[in-house]
Amino acid sequence: DAGVTQSPTHLIKTRGQHVTLRCSPISGHKSVSWYQQVLGQGPQFIFQYYEKEERGRGNFPDRFSARQFPNYSSELNVNALLLGDSALYLCASSRRGQPGFSGNTIYFGEGSWLTVV
Amino acid sequence: SQQGEEDPQALSIQEGENATMNCSYKTSINNLQWYRQNSGRGLVHLILIRSNEREKHSGRLRVTLDTSKKSSSLLITASRAADTASYFCATGDKETSGSRLTFGEGTQLTVNP
Repeated sequence: DAGVTQSPTHLIKTRGQHVTLRCSPISGHKSVSWYQQVLGQGPQFIFQYYEKEERGRGNFPDRFSARQFPNYSSELNVNALLLGDSALYLCASSRRGQPGFSGNTIYFGEGSWLTVV
Repeated sequence: SQQGEEDPQALSIQEGENATMNCSYKTSINNLQWYRQNSGRGLVHLILIRSNEREKHSGRLRVTLDTSKKSSSLLITASRAADTASYFCATGDKETSGSRLTFGEGTQLTVNP
């Protein structure tokens, strides 16, 4: 089975532009999460979606939004890009993701490298 | 904000030696997961340990969890040059679904041939 797949792998955008990143979870996984990893730091949680509903949001501005589709794939959108948005954006999937559930192995994709110039 | 703190931040050893990395966290957790990241790549899941477990093994990896001290350690035995990577611990806390992970800053491991 394919792992978590993300596209595009690399992209360069100009300040003020908009970007859409895409993620396909592992087959059978219903929970998708997004993380931002700035160079030299650990990943920071942005969003989690489970069964197409937002289940968690990290400390990111409203310029960041996401959604999950009926096939459980997901998009992360970032508007009005800033230089500080340059980072590796990681998508993760897990089989379950409802509140209170533990023991969830979470698998990550290879990420999308975003450079804002 | 980062919950976990890995220690040391960087570790350099010779092939064949053991590598130990430590992680501390702040809140009550459901589970703790360790990941490896090669430079510029995605995260590779290594091992998950639940809050009611104290030790877990997977191949050359051994993970311990001490919930009273809010700490975990990852031991890699008989290290290889291919183990060179950044290692992160990540916790899923009791207040959320457990699919929301909080990462530490990572330990950069260099294994010299």
